[in-house]
Amino acid sequence: EVQLVESGGGLVQPGGSLRLSCAASGFTFSSYWMTWVRQAPGKGLEWVANIKQDGTEIHYVDSVKGRFTISRDNAKNSLFLQMNSLGVGDTAVYYCARLQCRGGGSCYSTFDYWGPGTLVTVSS
Amino acid sequence: DIQLTQSPSFLSASVGDRVTITCRASQGISRYLVWYQQKPGKAPKVLIDAASTLQSGVPSRFSGSGSGTEFTLTISSLQPEDSATYYCQQRNSYPVTFGGGTKVEIK
Repeated sequence: EVQLVESGGGLVQPGGSLRLSCAASGFTFSSYWMTWVRQAPGKGLEWVANIKQDGTEIHYVDSVKGRFTISRDNAKNSLFLQMNSLGVGDTAVYYCARLQCRGGGSCYSTFDYWGPGTLVTVSS
Repeated sequence: DIQLTQSPSFLSASVGDRVTITCRASQGISRYLVWYQQKPGKAPKVLIDAASTLQSGVPSRFSGSGSGTEFTLTISSLQPEDSATYYCQQRNSYPVTFGGGTKVEIK
């Protein structure tokens, strides 16, 4: 069974940093692109970043470029999101999810499995 | 960036009704459109990929259609468990973007 479990959320002051983790199990983690998607309280979904299987290709939404870093450790089946210079607008539930892949390793941004999310609150 | 506009933002319908949600893209995205269902306090669940491909395990009352800039999600016979918020998402190009959501309420 595919499982994704986020951790590392919490309360942080504006300007602070936080590192989110996502533990993956039930599939060959190193074979899949992964993503972070966030959702502010009572709002819609916002894509944050994608990372390729080997970490050599990464994409970010403009609003987090230069502040957030997505990374992964395939040996530990883990995905990370380092978040710096946090602002109140970054308050959200952060979900990690897996991109859907077809045969031959071709993956695309259809997010087929999601974790339950971890809440990040940026407030003084 | 490609903007996705969903309509309506809220709808209330009765069990058994046919329900249609529209998603319009600001530019053509071929058929690279995904639909998700999200229930309160839960992560989204993928329903339909590539505009019309039903994902495994999703009830056949859900269907999708469209291409280019206009897409629809249809629930042929609304069930109580379909009360949720539905999002469209484009995967044609970066940045990946989502529609604003449609909340479906059961009367």
